[in-house]
Amino acid sequence: DTEVTQTPKHLVMGMTNKKSLKCEQHMGHRAMYWYKQKAKKPPELMFVYSYEKLSINESVPSRFSPECPNSSLLNLHLHALQPEDSALYLCATKGPSTDTQYFGPGTRLTVL
Amino acid sequence: RKEVEQDPGPFNVPEGATVAFNCTYSNSASQSFFWYRQDCRKEPKLLMSVYSSGNEDGRFTAQLNRASQYISLLIRDSKLSDSATYLCVVNGRSGGGADGLTFGKGTHLIIQP
Repeated sequence: DTEVTQTPKHLVMGMTNKKSLKCEQHMGHRAMYWYKQKAKKPPELMFVYSYEKLSINESVPSRFSPECPNSSLLNLHLHALQPEDSALYLCATKGPSTDTQYFGPGTRLTVL
Repeated sequence: RKEVEQDPGPFNVPEGATVAFNCTYSNSASQSFFWYRQDCRKEPKLLMSVYSSGNEDGRFTAQLNRASQYISLLIRDSKLSDSATYLCVVNGRSGGGADGLTFGKGTHLIIQP
């Protein structure tokens, strides 16, 4: 069982909607990540947070807005998405003494 | 040149067979290497880290050749439950400086009864 949880599991939204994806971990990890995975493709890094500060933004469009309100939570705010943004959005965390990342179950997003 | 390359397969092998996957990576500064397993519509799960000296976990053996920038995974006595996509994963990206993971496209394995 994963110690990284993500909600919701599934999300369908229109192009004018505003929604948020949530990720929570209680492993005490201080590095948290958002990845995007399209069908039949590998995960691609979007954002990295280290000690609640954004350290990497992989040139992600501004319609995706990450937020790390505390060391256990990571949000991804969505606004004015496009149908091509439909994908599985994965959250991951990493402890300080390893490079191993642990993934949550993901949110499957469909943009209509 | 792609950052992490894998043969996408599919590999169709009979139950009980031994199967080997290979992977190459382009960033010579990469420091950490992994094999993740991903089942259909699920998240990637760590199968094993890969060390320069080679390492084994039950039926799974991983090897790393830094000089050739080559990673391998060997699965012995394959089980039906081994059917999945196997992702070769490297820490860091071309250009360096990031600690996100770079994934290969994955090798799809189908174990046949």
